[in-house]
Amino acid sequence: RKEVEQDPGPFNVPEGATVAFNCTYSNSASQSFFWYRQDCRKEPKLLMSVYSSGNEDGRFTAQLNRASQYISLLIRDSKLSDSATYLCALKGAAGNKLTFGGGTRVLVKP
Amino acid sequence: NAGVTQTPKFQVLKTGQSMTLQCAQDMNHNSMYWYRQDPGMGLRLIYYSASEGTTDKGEVPNGYNVSRLNKREFSLRLESAAPSQTSVYFCASSALESGRAWIQTKNIQYFGAGTRLSVL
Repeated sequence: RKEVEQDPGPFNVPEGATVAFNCTYSNSASQSFFWYRQDCRKEPKLLMSVYSSGNEDGRFTAQLNRASQYISLLIRDSKLSDSATYLCALKGAAGNKLTFGGGTRVLVKP
Repeated sequence: NAGVTQTPKFQVLKTGQSMTLQCAQDMNHNSMYWYRQDPGMGLRLIYYSASEGTTDKGEVPNGYNVSRLNKREFSLRLESAAPSQTSVYFCASSALESGRAWIQTKNIQYFGAGTRLSVL
């Protein structure tokens, strides 16, 4: 089993709709969690950190479920500009390394 | 403020040739990383440097060497390129505060624009 797994998609989303997807992880000692956004042929950029109590940033909501070992990202009122690949990343108990998932591709269509 | 700068942006090599990918950051970060990204494989860590003067292997170090030249610069060298090394390479950096309680925001990695490498 991979350490971090994501549904590769693509998730085809009508503009204005809500989409949600998960990222599962196998290391229960993982401490910090992040969602990165990567546009086609560009570098990953931090979208948001994921906190234990869940957090929201505008139309984006991130949740952490430690018991089931997954994080989630929900996008409300999807915009065409939300089309991208969303990578989850997590940091283990020691060091500063991040382990990335393979990414979930989201395509928002008019 | 340029952030993380990688050179070159594109490179084509023949099998057996060598080259060095350059990375520099101007954010005074302690830690730097080299990743490769292949379709369906996500980002895989090649080598990292937790601080100036230290380097460690990541998930896929074979065929690569690194040098942490100073706090700003971290280079990746392919001594004898192979077609399996065709990939997109990203450099990243992050802050690491030693001796302090860990703050989640300090884990954030910032990426360069990438180097697209083809080995024929």
